[in-house]
Amino acid sequence: GAGVSQSPSNKVTEKGKDVELRCDPISGHTALYWYRQSLGQGLEFLIYFQGNSAPDKSGLPSDRFSAERTGGSVSTLTIQRTQQEDSAVYLCASSLGGSGNEQYFGPGTRLTVT
Amino acid sequence: GNSVTQMEGPVTLSEEAFLTINCTYTATGYPSLFWYVQYPGEGLQLLLKATKADDKGSNKGFEATYRKETTSFHLEKGSVQVSDSAVYFCALSDVASQAGTALIFGKGTTLSVSS
Repeated sequence: GAGVSQSPSNKVTEKGKDVELRCDPISGHTALYWYRQSLGQGLEFLIYFQGNSAPDKSGLPSDRFSAERTGGSVSTLTIQRTQQEDSAVYLCASSLGGSGNEQYFGPGTRLTVT
Repeated sequence: GNSVTQMEGPVTLSEEAFLTINCTYTATGYPSLFWYVQYPGEGLQLLLKATKADDKGSNKGFEATYRKETTSFHLEKGSVQVSDSAVYFCALSDVASQAGTALIFGKGTTLSVSS
């Protein structure tokens, strides 16, 4: 079946602009996660959604970052007023929920802020 | 807070050599432990996992045992192949933590195997 998909695969933006990154999780997965992978920081958790519960935003690095998940499916990560340090690969993952379940990762969106 | 520490790379081995990548963790609760792998040009994928103490995860010849007494989850393979060249990430998930079921990753270890 279809895996996790993300769009766009690459995004180049100018400093100060807003960007939106999209994630389509695996159908039926109740949990959805956003991570960031950068050379300096490795893989960092950003935010996660579990069913209809309020999202856990504890990993968001600043209030310029936000995310929403509509209808328990598609999610959008928004970065406002982008900075050069936001340049990274943004990864989305989904799972059936629970700490022992496998998370399935998408291919990522490579964001470059110039 | 929760954290994962894994050995620095890169690790360079010849084909058929024995591999160990060390991983230790700090957690407030009773975490599940994972090894994820990222092959060149591909996305992250689960290699193996263990959900409680003394469990052994295994896949594709790789093994790791959840050791609560030493808070470790070292990855081993008896005979590596060129196709094992990749970046390996140790990770934990702890529902008792602030991040809930989200994965906390180590920095990653690059493995390069030559023929």
